Amino acid sequence: GQQLNQSPQSMFIQEGEDVSMNCTSSSIFNTWLWYKQDPGEGPVLLIALYKAGELTSNGRLTAQFGITRKDSFLNISASIPSDVGIYFCAGPTNYNNNDMRFGAGTRLTVKP
Amino acid sequence: SQTIHQWPATLVQPVGSPLSLECTVEGTSNPNLYWYRQAAGRGLQLLFYSVGIGQISSEVPQNLSASRPQDRQFILSSKKLLLSDSGFYLCAWSVRLSSYEQYFGPGTRLTVT
Repeated sequence: GQQLNQSPQSMFIQEGEDVSMNCTSSSIFNTWLWYKQDPGEGPVLLIALYKAGELTSNGRLTAQFGITRKDSFLNISASIPSDVGIYFCAGPTNYNNNDMRFGAGTRLTVKP
Repeated sequence: SQTIHQWPATLVQPVGSPLSLECTVEGTSNPNLYWYRQAAGRGLQLLFYSVGIGQISSEVPQNLSASRPQDRQFILSSKKLLLSDSGFYLCAWSVRLSSYEQYFGPGTRLTVT
């Protein structure tokens, strides 16, 4: 099946630093989604990418849909304490649009 | 605007007891609805999805079942809980036919003892 691999698994950064995390797959995905989950809450959609090569921003967040369709990255600029959480990439499988696959997540800790 | 509710927020149940978790969506019609389970420190695993009333698709064989008695209501059930059913259960909705973007509820933390 189509699996998503996220790296790094966790990150510890200083407030103000930029962050980069990525998501890869051995299979092609036609849509990439990035979510953030705060402890004890449901994930919140940050960015959706629908075209290979697409670069989309949402405030301090920027995400790109890789040209090969097998990867995507998320950057956070000038991190702040409220950026703490788990970031997930996700995408629907090619054989069932309702079958959404999620990566295992990147846990971000921001030190003030 | 659309909102999604889940209850209860937390639940502690003994092994072998039944389960019923409820999810309702407001502010939209004919949504696709989804149930996910999240084990501690892990990603989300799709359990069931529904594209309409009475239409349920299962992604993972297990002792859980789902039902959709109304357009905006999705229920997750079990007749007999197992220890391995513990986890964080999330309901999500998406706009039918036009979007892969899913929007999640606040979740239910289930502990089976």
